[in-house]
Amino acid sequence: TQLLEQSPQFLSIQEGENLTVYCNSSSVFSSLQWYRQEPGEGPVLLVTVVTGGEVKKLKRLTFQFGDARKDSSLHITAAQPGDTGLYLCAGHPNAGNMLTFGGGTRLMVKP
Amino acid sequence: DVKVTQSSRYLVKRTGEKVFLECVQDMDHENMFWYRQDPGLGLRLIYFSYDVKMKEKGDIPEGYSVSREKKERFSLILESASTNQTSMYLCASSFQGRYYGYTFGSGTRLTVV
Repeated sequence: TQLLEQSPQFLSIQEGENLTVYCNSSSVFSSLQWYRQEPGEGPVLLVTVVTGGEVKKLKRLTFQFGDARKDSSLHITAAQPGDTGLYLCAGHPNAGNMLTFGGGTRLMVKP
Repeated sequence: DVKVTQSSRYLVKRTGEKVFLECVQDMDHENMFWYRQDPGLGLRLIYFSYDVKMKEKGDIPEGYSVSREKKERFSLILESASTNQTSMYLCASSFQGRYYGYTFGSGTRLTVV
């Protein structure tokens, strides 16, 4: 089983602060995705990264895929209360068709 | 707007009842999945299907079965509900291939009493 470890598990910050969430594995993934899940809803796909070293930006969110395709990070600039939620990373292993999900980072942004 | 629709947002069932959770997607996706999500345990895969009438066990299939008679519909069945099956159940679908993301439904919060 290929595991994805997310850190931190919990993060509580004030509005306007910056933060970074990490997703690490000892295994190589052919692609990696980030999802955000709001309370009472299903996860929603934010981004897919497929190339080692790739950086993608989505407004105030910056996603990076590690050069070796074993890790990823999500950086949020000037966090807002609307960013509150559970952030999940998920990777497609090189073999197989199934996503492996990390345990998630629960973010709370206080006004 | 593409979507995955789960038949119920909230369900309360009694121990021993047979429970059906329905999921329908309108995106012509080949793959469909059932997960349960519990605090501290993350998303755990129960069953998945990559084609009509095909099914594969996930990580925690015990106590569950599934049915996929049509491409757009994937049903999860709790043969005899137990209190330890109280959970949030999430259905998802995707195209086949390593670069496609999953589209999730809004979830069904099942309570077994």
